[in-house]
Amino acid sequence: SQTIHQWPATLVQPVGSPLSLECTVEGTSNPNLYWYRQAAGRGLQLLFYSVGIGQISSEVPQNLSASRPQDRQFILSSKKLLLSDSGFYLCAWSVQLGGETQYFGPGTRLLVL
Amino acid sequence: DQQVKQNSPSLSVQEGRISILNCDYTNSMFDYFLWYKKYPAEGPTFLISISSIKDKNEDGRFTVFLNKSAKHLSLHIVPSQPGDSAVYFCAASDYSGGGADGLTFGKGTHLIIQP
Repeated sequence: SQTIHQWPATLVQPVGSPLSLECTVEGTSNPNLYWYRQAAGRGLQLLFYSVGIGQISSEVPQNLSASRPQDRQFILSSKKLLLSDSGFYLCAWSVQLGGETQYFGPGTRLLVL
Repeated sequence: DQQVKQNSPSLSVQEGRISILNCDYTNSMFDYFLWYKKYPAEGPTFLISISSIKDKNEDGRFTVFLNKSAKHLSLHIVPSQPGDSAVYFCAASDYSGGGADGLTFGKGTHLIIQP
């Protein structure tokens, strides 16, 4: 069966510091991968998605970036965090073909102080 | 502009009764709809989905109804159980448009099941 991991589970970072959140998927090959953010009162907002290694699409302008160095690894990064980057970050995957349903990881709670 | 709207931030239902969660959308290109359940500090869990070629999909206690002309869908939970207390997100996709675009989510409805 497929499993999706995210780490760390919780992170507290000062403003201006870098960020690296990691997501890995097990039990499937060539998945579509997604990063979402849940901010208070705003539901889940799609940040990035990837259909393959090195292929990243960005949905919203921001100071975050994403990379996919391996087939089942998706990384969310920032060079300098802002207070507004605080939130709950969720990684999700779907089957490459016909993958309408997305499955979510446990999430990372980020607090920027 | 919010393309997926859940107008009830919260809903309180007595245990054993039917819970009805509503969702409206504005983008007529959406062709696949999903409901997720989310507990605090956890990732959303997929519950049930429906394609735009159908108007009803049922899975155990969960049924999703789609009214394309009204751009409205609803999730029915019957009978409601205490473990159903959670935030429910409605999501939509324009998957037939090609590619692997992400889902568009509503803001969620907090369902509270009272004993």
